[in-house]
Amino acid sequence: AQSVTQLGSHVSVSEGALVLLRCNYSSSVPPYLFWYVQYPNQGLQLLLKYTSAATLVKGINGFEAEFKKSETSFHLTKPSAHMSDAAEYFCAVTIYQKVTFGTGTKLQVIP
Amino acid sequence: DGGITQSPKYLFRKEGQNVTLSCEQNLNHDAMYWYRQDPGQGLRLIYYSQIVNDFQKGDIAEGYSVSREKKESFPLTVTSAQKNPTAFYLCASSQGGPSGNTIYFGEGSWLTVV
Repeated sequence: AQSVTQLGSHVSVSEGALVLLRCNYSSSVPPYLFWYVQYPNQGLQLLLKYTSAATLVKGINGFEAEFKKSETSFHLTKPSAHMSDAAEYFCAVTIYQKVTFGTGTKLQVIP
Repeated sequence: DGGITQSPKYLFRKEGQNVTLSCEQNLNHDAMYWYRQDPGQGLRLIYYSQIVNDFQKGDIAEGYSVSREKKESFPLTVTSAQKNPTAFYLCASSQGGPSGNTIYFGEGSWLTVV
């Protein structure tokens, strides 16, 4: 069975600091991996996705994520946090047409 | 603009009532989904449909029903059998199944039991 774990339900960073949101997955076959962002009271929108091409994936708004098979991880990073990055972030894994979402990480950006 | 439209944004239900949440998409996507979102629990799949006139139960289908009579429409009915319906509901769609395909979401609907 597939699963996805997001470490830390809340993460706080200072404006301009590195953002690191962690995601680990379990799967017996190569997965498709996604990061979505959700702003308050809105739906989710895609940040980036991994579909077995390059292991370093670049997304919108300066975010990127690296697929590490040996660590079963797909952590999301951004070199410098901006106030507008404050939102909830969801990691998702898709295998055999079944998508599983993580429980989300709320990012707080401190001025 | 292409997208997914959910209505209403806010809905209040009295005990024992059925309510229907509307979802319309103009992306020409084959697959549509309904998710329920509760704080700290992420998204849980209620129902999904891969093609018109066909749908499957997700992880938490009890107390909910759907129909898929048209490609662009996938309404969700929350029945009185759903004992704890207060939540944020998200409709979504994708071209084909979710494997490798981006899932696009609507803006969501808040349902509150009063």
